[in-house]
Amino acid sequence: DAMVIQNPRYQVTQFGKPVTLSCSQTLNHNVMYWYQQKSSQAPKLLFHYYDKDFNNEADTPDNFQSRRPNTSFCFLDIRSPGLGDAAMYLCATSRDGAGGRLETQYFGPGTRLLVL
Amino acid sequence: TQLLEQSPQFLSIQEGENLTVYCNSSSVFSSLQWYRQEPGEGPVLLVTVVTGGEVKKLKRLTFQFGDARKDSSLHITAAQPGDTGLYLCAGSKAYKYIFGTGTRLKVLA
Repeated sequence: DAMVIQNPRYQVTQFGKPVTLSCSQTLNHNVMYWYQQKSSQAPKLLFHYYDKDFNNEADTPDNFQSRRPNTSFCFLDIRSPGLGDAAMYLCATSRDGAGGRLETQYFGPGTRLLVL
Repeated sequence: TQLLEQSPQFLSIQEGENLTVYCNSSSVFSSLQWYRQEPGEGPVLLVTVVTGGEVKKLKRLTFQFGDARKDSSLHITAAQPGDTGLYLCAGSKAYKYIFGTGTRLKVLA
């Protein structure tokens, strides 16, 4: 049973054309994350939501935005994609455990973005 | 600043050999996870270690968390071609996971 779902699996967009990637979860987890992963590199955290609280990483470009309308869904908006934004985008969730300790992080299958 | 350094970065070995991957940091983590990722897919969790000195075994894979919770190792016994992939460690810290630099393993038949 899929727990973290990402759609679409592959997305092609044009240079400068806004694009939205979606993520949904059936785990009812408090925390949702968006990562960018370029070829053969480790995932790089862009931002995360703890409930409705948005937490941006200091080096995440302004071109990247996110929305979390409810517990289950989270969106990644790229306002003006550049060629350098072509990458795999991973969504993950985690439950806030006892004493603020994060529990297991679950990843979706990712969306591969191609910018033409 | 990369807080988690993995070594080696690349490893190519023959089927049946043993190997160890290291994940080192100067920071303390409340827990540490190991993932394997195959091309075009998201990372798949292998194990979470929480207690300093903890050792967990998953079939041919042995994971150890350092006593000070700053480092971890993954040992694979008798590697198989199916073990090929990108191995990532990730430490949890302040509602975030910090990923290691990754180790790309290739096991040749």
